[in-house]
Amino acid sequence: GAVVSQHPSWVICKSGTSVKIECRSLDFQATTMFWYRQFPKQSLMLMATSNEGSKATYEQGVEKDKFLINHASLTLSTLTVTSAHPEDSSFYICSAYEETQYFGPGTRLLVL
Amino acid sequence: QKEVEQNSGPLSVPEGAIASLNCTYSDRGSQSFFWYRQYSGKSPELIMFIYSNGDKEDGRFTAQLNKASQYVSLLIRDSQPSDSATYLCAVRGGGADGLTFGKGTHLIIQP
Repeated sequence: GAVVSQHPSWVICKSGTSVKIECRSLDFQATTMFWYRQFPKQSLMLMATSNEGSKATYEQGVEKDKFLINHASLTLSTLTVTSAHPEDSSFYICSAYEETQYFGPGTRLLVL
Repeated sequence: QKEVEQNSGPLSVPEGAIASLNCTYSDRGSQSFFWYRQYSGKSPELIMFIYSNGDKEDGRFTAQLNKASQYVSLLIRDSQPSDSATYLCAVRGGGADGLTFGKGTHLIIQP
């Protein structure tokens, strides 16, 4: 099956700093990647759709200026959480689309 | 707004029995339906997907879809303790759309 990696797997940062999360499709090219967020005991919520070479499409209620997405190549999408605050602490999971969606292992973000 | 509903559980099933997980969805335009398994602290892993009405079997797993009733289910035969996890139902509108997830059903297989 298709393999998707994420880096880092976990990160702790101070409030007000920015954090970048990378999502890579390792053995296939993905023109479309997705970013999800999962709070404790909640389900995954789609944040945005990332298309290679174009602007990301954000879901309603997701601040595009806070969650910057760049999909510069067919194997890499990045999510930057700008000026992170404690309420941004969550489990961030990316997926890459190839007939179906394959999920990365997730990045756990803790903002102090 | 698309909604996917699941009973949160926990659903407790004896080892070796059949576990039945259910899901309903609100968007009649949904075209693809997925079942994911998620262990605590991990990302979801795909169990199976179904596009057409009826049953689809893969090993111990059977997915059932009824578009008229907007209902999809997952049966797990010969349940094992390792099947204990949260099972997420997800639907997709079409093509490379993002998935809408239910909140998941927590399944416990009792040895």
